[in-house]
Amino acid sequence: NAGVTQTPKFRILKIGQSMTLQCAQDMNHNYMYWYRQDPGMGLKLIYYSVGAGITDKGEVPNGYNVSRSTTEDFPLRLELAAPSQTSVYFCASGNVREGGEQYFGPGTRLTVT
Amino acid sequence: QQQVKQSPQSLIVQKGGISIINCAYENTAFDYFPWYQQFPGKGPALLIAIRPDVSEKKEGRFTISFNKSAKQFSLHIMDSQPGDSATYFCAAHSGGGADGLTFGKGTHLIIQP
Repeated sequence: NAGVTQTPKFRILKIGQSMTLQCAQDMNHNYMYWYRQDPGMGLKLIYYSVGAGITDKGEVPNGYNVSRSTTEDFPLRLELAAPSQTSVYFCASGNVREGGEQYFGPGTRLTVT
Repeated sequence: QQQVKQSPQSLIVQKGGISIINCAYENTAFDYFPWYQQFPGKGPALLIAIRPDVSEKKEGRFTISFNKSAKQFSLHIMDSQPGDSATYFCAAHSGGGADGLTFGKGTHLIIQP
């Protein structure tokens, strides 16, 4: 099992550009999450999904969109990138049958200049 | 509003010593308290977790102590080793984790040889 995979690993965007961060999991988890990590701030939840076709906002959703068309994939879309979106983005998956444990991907480091 | 407060922000411990990291929470609905370990350039990895029906959980050199009445929990690393040098995050969620984890801000731990 590959676990949770994320692409790309690094990306530099210009202000106003858009991009999609990809996330996939092969553990058949129902729950998937997107977090952002800023220095000294821990991880903050952007969006989450409890299953295909169901998504909901987390603590910091502004400037982002998500979709969940399959159990395996949970892409995060950035529209009109802003410097405030410079961060490391982590995707995670979990399943209530596993006690709520979440498994994280390796992250995408995004810089907006 | 920070629902999980973590301290200290950084910690230096001599090899063989005990590392102690503390967290306090506000939301009494939280029912799952994991600790994550993160190495530079990697995603967080689940280290150990506890539920509020027990006061202590031990896995190898890692122990979680949990005080429900005080709404506090802590991570103890016994016989700390240089390989334990990493950033540690406490977290919490409720209801099986469908709506994501709430993280502390992290503790940067350095074990000096």
